[in-house]
Formats: sequence, C-alpha cells, structure tokens
Amino acid sequence: EADIYQTPRYLVIGTGKKITLECSQTMGHDKMYWYQQDPGMELHLIHYSYGVNSTEKGDLSSESTVSRIRTEHFPLTLESARPSHTSQYLCASSEAGPYPEQFFGPGTRLTVL
Amino acid sequence: GENVEQHPSTLSVQEGDSAVIKCTYSDSASNYFPWYKQELGKGPQLIIDIRSNVGEKKDQRIAVTLNKTAKHFSLHITETQPEDSAVYFCAASLTGGGNKLTFGTGTQLKVEL
Repeated sequence: EADIYQTPRYLVIGTGKKITLECSQTMGHDKMYWYQQDPGMELHLIHYSYGVNSTEKGDLSSESTVSRIRTEHFPLTLESARPSHTSQYLCASSEAGPYPEQFFGPGTRLTVL
Repeated sequence: GENVEQHPSTLSVQEGDSAVIKCTYSDSASNYFPWYKQELGKGPQLIIDIRSNVGEKKDQRIAVTLNKTAKHFSLHITETQPEDSAVYFCAASLTGGGNKLTFGTGTQLKVEL
C-alpha cells in the first residue's frame, strides 16, 4: 500500500472560492506530480516537482498553482474556482532514478457549482 | 512531445478468457513503458513495466510485449477473473526526461461471470 494521501477526497464548492488540495507522502520521494483526470478517464499532467523549491508546469495548461516547501508536501491551489475546474485531481510521487514507479494517491473529486 | 494511443477504450470478456490491450507511441526515444490499473475510487497502481531492451515480460497472469520497430506495446491478461475488472492505462517515458509519463487514454475492462 502506497503511503500517499490526499485531502479532501470530495469537495463541492461555489464559483469564485479559493481552494487548496492537499497531498502528502511519507516515502521520502523527491519527485511529485499532479494529474487532472477527465470523466472519460484520460490522465493529464498539470504540475510536477523534482524536489523542494522546484515546481514545473505539465503538459496540460492549468490555472492552478503548486508549491513545494517540504519534501513530503505538494499542495495545489486554485485562487478562484470555476465550473471548468470540475474534475478528479490525482497526486503521485516517485523516487529519482531511470525507471521510477509512480505511486498515486486516491484522488480528490472537485465539483465547482 | 510524446503521444500515446490506446485501444480499445472498452473491453468486455468472459471470466477465464484472455484480454489484450494495445498501445502505440510516437517518440522513438521513449524507453520505459509501464502499465497501471485503476480500480473504482482509487488512484492508478503499477502492475507491470517493460524497458526498451526487453521484448517481453511476464508476471503470473499478465504479460507485456514491446515492438520497438513498430513503436507499439501490448498488455496480455490470461485467465481473467472478476477482480481484473478496472481501467488500465499504458504509458511511455524517456528516462532522463524528468521521468514524466505520457499516459494512454485508458481501457475499461469488464470481466463478466
């Protein structure tokens, strides 16, 4: 069982609210990732980090921002939520190395009304 | 960038039959090809992977084959069981490219009794 946690698991919020999705891992992994998962299942990388104070944008443009102040913590923030942000958000982590397994959290299902 | 196509999008088999999911990738430099299984309400979990210097790999009832010349790889599940029902994702990665995975669009496998 992977030790990566996401909170909340479900969130229903009104338009314009600021939200932070939490992701923590206890495996000491340097690399962490955020994916957005469509209702049609496809996974899109929106942010990743190689370590503390490192953040990069992924392949899919996103209005969210991330921070990496501690190795174990990689929160994602939306300053002003909109209905188009409604989706499943998955956090993952991996070791450094050429063939790293990514360990995924259970996801946060976000609904913006 | 890398593009991964996955087929079929849905697959229904009888218990005990075999299931095959196929993926193609575009970047000939990609050299790592993992497969993930996502059960309902959970994040994806690695089930098997293959590196570019290997043509086939087996782990009990699952196997993966890789054809680098044709740029395609496949997942084979034999003697399917109801607990194999899930969404399966293929992915491709270039080691040294930040370990970013490009995922296929997913296959919903249903094993019927």
